[in-house]
Amino acid sequence: EAGVTQFPSHSVIEKGQTVTLRCDPISGHDNLYWYRRVMGKEIKFLLHFVKESKQDESGMPNNRFLAERTGGTYSTLKVQPAELEDSGVYFCASSQEQGVGNTIYFGEGSWLTVV
Amino acid sequence: AQSVTQPDIHITVSEGASLELRCNYSYGATPYLFWYVQSPGQGLQLLLKYFSGDTLVQGIKGFEAEFKRSQSSFNLRKPSVHWSDAAEYFCAANTGNQFYFGTGTSLTVIP
Repeated sequence: EAGVTQFPSHSVIEKGQTVTLRCDPISGHDNLYWYRRVMGKEIKFLLHFVKESKQDESGMPNNRFLAERTGGTYSTLKVQPAELEDSGVYFCASSQEQGVGNTIYFGEGSWLTVV
Repeated sequence: AQSVTQPDIHITVSEGASLELRCNYSYGATPYLFWYVQSPGQGLQLLLKYFSGDTLVQGIKGFEAEFKRSQSSFNLRKPSVHWSDAAEYFCAANTGNQFYFGTGTSLTVIP
């Protein structure tokens, strides 16, 4: 069974440019999450989809970030325009169920560097 | 406020030595607790988790963790470290749909 896959694995862009990160969850997982880790900081929650609906987007830092999950399958996270402080690792995760005690499975991350 | 604390930013141990990574949580109730590992260039891999029951949980790669309610801790241990254990380790707590992570502990293993 394929795990959570993310693309691209690494991206270097200039400040002001746009980057789109993609995540394919584990097949059959309705719940999809985006997390981010800025260097040296903790991994922070960005948002949570249940199928195609945004269940919780309280962690999205600002309106330069746009997440979509059309059709309830894969998801994209677009950063436009990118700023230096957006550099970090963006993790996608998925789970079959939601709620307390649920285990989520992470992808390998998309490493973003904004220069 | 809910939080997970990993007091040690970086730890160095010799191969074959024992290891303990600390994790403390701050919540009103006992959260569900996890340890993840991120090897260089890899994603986050689940090592083990604690939901309830036996407070000593076994995980993959020879790791174990002990939940201590009185100390609000969930420390990760391994009796004999291998060079391949060099990685970053994250403790996490789940109290709902969100996971709260610590800042991570980077482990270096020296020959």
